[in-house]
Amino acid sequence: QSALTQPPSASGSRGQSVTISCTGTSSDVGGYNYVSWYQQHPGEAPRLMIYEVNKRPSGVPDRFSGSKSGNTASLTVSGLQADDEADYYCLSYAGTNRLGVFGGGTKLTVL
Amino acid sequence: EVQLVQSGAELKKPGESLKISCKGSGYTFIYYWIGWVRQMPGKGLEWMGIIYPGDSDTRYSPSFEGQVTMSVDKSISTAYLEWSRLQASDIATYYCARLIMARGGVMRIEFWGQGTQVTVSS
Repeated sequence: QSALTQPPSASGSRGQSVTISCTGTSSDVGGYNYVSWYQQHPGEAPRLMIYEVNKRPSGVPDRFSGSKSGNTASLTVSGLQADDEADYYCLSYAGTNRLGVFGGGTKLTVL
Repeated sequence: EVQLVQSGAELKKPGESLKISCKGSGYTFIYYWIGWVRQMPGKGLEWMGIIYPGDSDTRYSPSFEGQVTMSVDKSISTAYLEWSRLQASDIATYYCARLIMARGGVMRIEFWGQGTQVTVSS
């Protein structure tokens, strides 16, 4: 199964909003509401930020939000802060007995 | 508090064997699938496979089938990832993770271990 498509990089100024896309197919992103997003700072393990398209785990700021339209899911970070600078990965459920599909990752730079 | 604590960084020679570990705590270990994810230097996340500690049901990503072995020891709430002969191409950070599943497929990764860095050099 091919990786989900994410832009390699994204950027925004402090206080602004940025949206990162994650494009798949009807067999993964488009077929289920099971897209999750992970934040990874350099040298650290990834951290779950969004699950089931738009749900936030406890402790994740509400500046992080998710959405989906068709085969494309999106992560929006509002009110950008310096600490938001990190790599972001999406992961989609891909059906019964499948491992799921990762996106290639997006490096977010806060200007 | 759920924790997955992995074994420390390893420096091995090509052809050597290696077994790294991932100890779960703060939850009932046998009830949740564990996944292994590879991250090569400067690259993204790749599925290696998943294992269910309850019965050791194991599924490998096609790219890793036959290259690594996943196992668990329920008595000590620990999962393992093993290589019989390391190669330079195995240089990476390896993460274990606790999974949430639906109909046998991975919905999401809830918790991650801190990662184990593996270096292979002669």
